[in-house]
Amino acid sequence: QKEVEQDPGPLSVPEGAIVSLNCTYSNSAFQYFMWYRQYSRKGPELLMYTYSSGNKEDGRFTAQVDKSSKYISLFIRDSQPSDSATYLCAMSAMGGNTGKLIFGQGTTLQVKP
Amino acid sequence: DAGVTQSPTHLIKTRGQQVTLRCSPKSGHDTVSWYQQALGQGPQFIFQYYEEEERQRGNFPDRFSGHQFPNYSSELNVNALLLGDSALYLCASSLRQGNQPQHFGDGTRLSIL
Repeated sequence: QKEVEQDPGPLSVPEGAIVSLNCTYSNSAFQYFMWYRQYSRKGPELLMYTYSSGNKEDGRFTAQVDKSSKYISLFIRDSQPSDSATYLCAMSAMGGNTGKLIFGQGTTLQVKP
Repeated sequence: DAGVTQSPTHLIKTRGQQVTLRCSPKSGHDTVSWYQQALGQGPQFIFQYYEEEERQRGNFPDRFSGHQFPNYSSELNVNALLLGDSALYLCASSLRQGNQPQHFGDGTRLSIL
């Protein structure tokens, strides 16, 4: 069993839809949670960074962490074609700066105009 | 402000050869981590360097080695290349102090023939 499970999709939605991306994990030591966006032939770009349980909002993006259920989510409101990319969840037991990041497989999202 | 830069962008090698990949961290960062990303998968942690020493290592064989220089730049060396080493190799940098997450470069795409 992988430490982090993420539905690879692909996920296709119309422009303006609300998108929900999810990851589950098995290691209760994870405390730092990240969402990265990766465009084709590019490196991962940090979207959201949270510590422990709770919600964090940044513009159209909201990250949720439920440590009791070992479940994290990323919501994208008013999705745009430019949001079409692969979304990677990542986790670390130590800080996001010093800990090794454990990634999910990535979910491919396509937003159709 | 330059981000994480990696060279070369693409590389083609044959089985049994050796390869060296290079990374310059984001300005102000002192910690460098390397990841391997196979096609359709999330990145996997190889190792992390700080103060010119390997601080953490993932589940990769000794054929994978690295180095960090006094200016914080880093190299990843892979010996006796196998077909399975074909992947995108990502460098990420961060600052040891504080709690800001890792920033990634666009990677080196390595193809083994």
